[in-house]
Amino acid sequence: NAGVTQTPKFQVLKTGQSMTLQCAQDMNHEYMSWYRQDPGMGLRLIHYSVGAGITDQGEVPNGYNVSRSTTEDFPLRLLSAAPSQTSVYFCASSASGGVIQETQYFGPGTRLLVL
Amino acid sequence: GENVEQHPSTLSVQEGDSAVIKCTYSDSASNYFPWYKQELGKRPQLIIDIRSNVGEKKDQRIAVTLNKTAKHFSLHITETQPEDSAVYFCAAPNTGFQKLVFGTGTRLLVSP
Repeated sequence: NAGVTQTPKFQVLKTGQSMTLQCAQDMNHEYMSWYRQDPGMGLRLIHYSVGAGITDQGEVPNGYNVSRSTTEDFPLRLLSAAPSQTSVYFCASSASGGVIQETQYFGPGTRLLVL
Repeated sequence: GENVEQHPSTLSVQEGDSAVIKCTYSDSASNYFPWYKQELGKRPQLIIDIRSNVGEKKDQRIAVTLNKTAKHFSLHITETQPEDSAVYFCAAPNTGFQKLVFGTGTRLLVSP
């Protein structure tokens, strides 16, 4: 199993550009989530999904959209990139259904720089 | 919503010493408390977790203790080794148990 995969590994954007960060998992996990990691601020939840067709907002959802059309994929869309979105983005998945009490498996991360 | 505070933000120890990291949470209904380790440039990985029906859990040199009355839980690493150097994150579920709220992390440095 590949586990949780993310593409790209690194991306540079100009302010105002849009892009999609890809995330996929092959563990048949119901729960998937996106976090951003900034120095001194830990991991902050952007959006999450408890199953295909269901998404909800986390702590810092503004400027990001998600969709979950399949169990395997959970892409994160930046609508109009801003320098404040410069960060490392991690996707994670878990066997949890609606209750988060199982191990979250993280992808390798995407480092995003917005100029 | 849930708030998780983690201390200290940095911790330096000599090899062989013990290290303790403490987290407090706000929601008394929280019942699952994981700890993640993140090495430099790598992804976070679960190292140990505890559920509210036990007060302590051990796995070799790592242990976690939970005090539900005081709403805090701690990570204990004994006989530290240089490879324990990393950032450690605690977490707790929010009200509704659909999200994990992470602490801000503790950078542990173990010197030989």
